[in-house]
Amino acid sequence: RKEVEQDPGPFNVPEGATVAFNCTYSNSASQSFFWYRQDCRKEPKLLMSVYSSGNEDGRFTAQLNRASQYISLLIRDSKLSDSATYLCVVTPSGTYKYIFGTGTRLKVLA
Amino acid sequence: GAGVSQSPSNKVTEKGKDVELRCDPISGHTALYWYRQSLGQGLEFLIYFQGNSAPDKSGLPSDRFSAERTGGSVSTLTIQRTQQEDSAVYLCASSLGSAGNTIYFGEGSWLTVV
Repeated sequence: RKEVEQDPGPFNVPEGATVAFNCTYSNSASQSFFWYRQDCRKEPKLLMSVYSSGNEDGRFTAQLNRASQYISLLIRDSKLSDSATYLCVVTPSGTYKYIFGTGTRLKVLA
Repeated sequence: GAGVSQSPSNKVTEKGKDVELRCDPISGHTALYWYRQSLGQGLEFLIYFQGNSAPDKSGLPSDRFSAERTGGSVSTLTIQRTQQEDSAVYLCASSLGSAGNTIYFGEGSWLTVV
């Protein structure tokens, strides 16, 4: 089983739609969680950290479910500019290793 | 500059040649990471430095790959006797070094082995 798993997509959604991605992780002792965004042929960039109580940044909401070992990302009112690959990142407890999922590709259609 | 700087941006090399890729992290960042990403694939962890030491080299694919970091700053990733399967973008990232800190990536070094 992969340490971090994501549905590769693509998710094709119309502008204005709400879309959600999940990411599961295998190490129950994982301590830090992030969502990164990667545009085609560009480096990954931090979208948001994920906190235990859940957190929101504008149209983006991230949640953590430790019991079921998954994190989620919800994007409301999708924009064309949201089209990208979204990477789930997990840091196992006691290490500085950042483990990336393979990403979920989102295409927002006009 | 304020970000992670990598060089060269692009490198085309012949099979069997050695290549060196350089990373200059954000000033003050003690942790440095190398990842590899093949076309259409996810990020593959290669090595992690804390200061000048590398507590985790578990991701290096073979003994043709090595990395060092000097002065707690610049790092060099060396690939000896390159093979076509080494073609990928090599991404360097740095962070403040405490667990849970955000890591920031450079733009990558795109390596093509012909």
